[in-house]
Amino acid sequence: NAGVTQTPKFRVLKTGQSMTLLCAQDMNHEYMYWYRQDPGMGLRLIHYSVGEGTTAKGEVPDGYNVSRLKKQNFLLGLESAAPSQTSVYFCASSYSSVQPQHFGDGTRLSIL
Amino acid sequence: DQQVKQNSPSLSVQEGRISILNCDYTNSMFDYFLWYKKYPAEGPTFLISISSIKDKNEDGRFTVFLNKSAKHLSLHIVPSQPGDSAVYFCAGVNNAGNMLTFGGGTRLMVKP
Repeated sequence: NAGVTQTPKFRVLKTGQSMTLLCAQDMNHEYMYWYRQDPGMGLRLIHYSVGEGTTAKGEVPDGYNVSRLKKQNFLLGLESAAPSQTSVYFCASSYSSVQPQHFGDGTRLSIL
Repeated sequence: DQQVKQNSPSLSVQEGRISILNCDYTNSMFDYFLWYKKYPAEGPTFLISISSIKDKNEDGRFTVFLNKSAKHLSLHIVPSQPGDSAVYFCAGVNNAGNMLTFGGGTRLMVKP
């Protein structure tokens, strides 16, 4: 029972490089979310999706893009990485908007 | 402007005693609130929730209290156990139900 799986777990990038973080869930959830966690600030919502083929902006969307081509996958892209994007990224999913979200174990991303 | 605040970054209690974690919010449009627990190198896990129309919800050793007039909620853990040592986040859900707004977290340490 994998739940929410994030790939990779760690990554170091140079400024200006691009990369994609992958989130996969096996619970048939409609809703998926990407958060970033920075010290003392809790988790902040980057983008979310309410179903396959849909995406929407969260609280801190600038510098990120997302895609939800398949129901089970939610991709987070950084087109041109900046040091300010150094953070721990969490993906989450939920069955509906009123159900608690299930989180992956995070991706620690460092941008030099 | 942080809509959800956890003003105590850390809390230390003795095993068997009560742990009280506090959370204040400014957004009157939150429909319900959740508490998540997070261990190092893991994603947050859902603990307990409370609807904005209630003032108390209990689940085993965990009780959440909501004071709407004061815009304050608290999580009580009785009795506290060493395994409860973790970071606790409170979060509010907007009335569209699609966004969690997290507080900055409180690190709880339960000493044996």
